[in-house]
Amino acid sequence: GAVVSQHPSWVICKSGTSVKIECRSLDFQATTMFWYRQFPKQSLMLMATSNEGSKATYEQGVEKDKFLINHASLTLSTLTVTSAHPEDSSFYICSARDPGTSGTYEQYFGPGTRLTVT
Amino acid sequence: RKEVEQDPGPFNVPEGATVAFNCTYSNSASQSFFWYRQDCRKEPKLLMSVYSSGNEDGRFTAQLNRASQYISLLIRDSKLSDSATYLCVVNLGANNLFFGTGTRLTVIP
Repeated sequence: GAVVSQHPSWVICKSGTSVKIECRSLDFQATTMFWYRQFPKQSLMLMATSNEGSKATYEQGVEKDKFLINHASLTLSTLTVTSAHPEDSSFYICSARDPGTSGTYEQYFGPGTRLTVT
Repeated sequence: RKEVEQDPGPFNVPEGATVAFNCTYSNSASQSFFWYRQDCRKEPKLLMSVYSSGNEDGRFTAQLNRASQYISLLIRDSKLSDSATYLCVVNLGANNLFFGTGTRLTVIP
């Protein structure tokens, strides 16, 4: 299947600082990428849909000013958690659809970024 | 009501056993269905898509029942390496993917 990478895989930061997470599609171009968050023992929850060259679409309850998304190219989307707080500690995962599999809506996930805010 | 519901388990089965998971979805307009596998502290990985006619991939068989709005996953001859959380995923079209909370499977030697 298609390959999606994320960086960093693990980050610890102090409360009040900002953290940027990168998501890259390595062997295909993705006009749309997705950002999820997963708390322990819970399901993945979609945070936002990242659209190349335009504004992201945020899910209800997700603060767009806190979670900044930039999809500047067809292979890169970034999520910046601004002024992070301990309750933002979570597993952040991005995904993308491979246009080569259009019509099937299969999504390929990055390896995830584990954020711990102290 | 949740879009997708799964029994969280855990299912503890001996090696070689057959185990089945069910998942129900609430929206009859759902268009496509998947089973993903997620290992602890890892990202979900696509296990298989689920087609109306049912489909099989080695020891794994997936079934879809649109009338009753449920999908199933059958694992035969369980291996230790099958231990993971299995996520039922339903797509309402375009980018609307809904994930179940997952069913945890542990295969015991």
